[in-house]
Amino acid sequence: EVQLVESGGGLVQPGGSLRLSCAASGFTFRSYWMHWVRQVPGKGLVWVSRLNGDGSSTSYADSVKGRFTVSRDNVENTLHLQMNSLRAEDTAVYYCAGASWGRNAMDVWGQGTTVTVSS
Amino acid sequence: QSVLTQPPSASGTPGQRVTISCSGSSSNIGTNTVNWYQQLPGTAPKLLIYSNNQRPSGVPDRFSGSKSGTSASLAISGLQSEDEADYYCASWDASLSALVFGGGTKLTVL
Repeated sequence: EVQLVESGGGLVQPGGSLRLSCAASGFTFRSYWMHWVRQVPGKGLVWVSRLNGDGSSTSYADSVKGRFTVSRDNVENTLHLQMNSLRAEDTAVYYCAGASWGRNAMDVWGQGTTVTVSS
Repeated sequence: QSVLTQPPSASGTPGQRVTISCSGSSSNIGTNTVNWYQQLPGTAPKLLIYSNNQRPSGVPDRFSGSKSGTSASLAISGLQSEDEADYYCASWDASLSALVFGGGTKLTVL
């Protein structure tokens, strides 16, 4: 079964750090461009970051550039998002997603993990 | 304010055909392909259309996509109650070097 499972979400204080992980199974992980997308409950989807198959090319939304770092382990089939200097506006459900139809057509999605930044 | 503009809501009765628009610019839709996602209540998004008009396996042919210039559209024919969901368009923006989503359209089946 093709699956992505996120973990690592939780409550963190403003200025703190959190590392999200996304475990992939059931597909050739290294062949997929991987993305992080976030969503405030009741609001729309917002793209956060993407990473190519071998991890050599990354892109970030301006709102997280310099604070978030995306990485992957193609041996462990895991995607990570290191989030530093967290702000209240980073509070959201974070989805990892994989794209097989080109770089940006995300056809595999996780169930999401919730990040809450609050004092 | 989203880079891609979608109507916030759309509606139709069972069996009808509805269309959802997505308006962008030369740096996104005008240059790159458009993908559409369906998000049912309480679930993760699902890829509905990729590369403007291609359906992944398992997506009914009631769903179709098109693109012209800096705009794209998602059409749903033979509307069914289970189509009630939020729909999002997305495209890569070359100026921003970022993937941009539309604000989403909430489809109600009356």
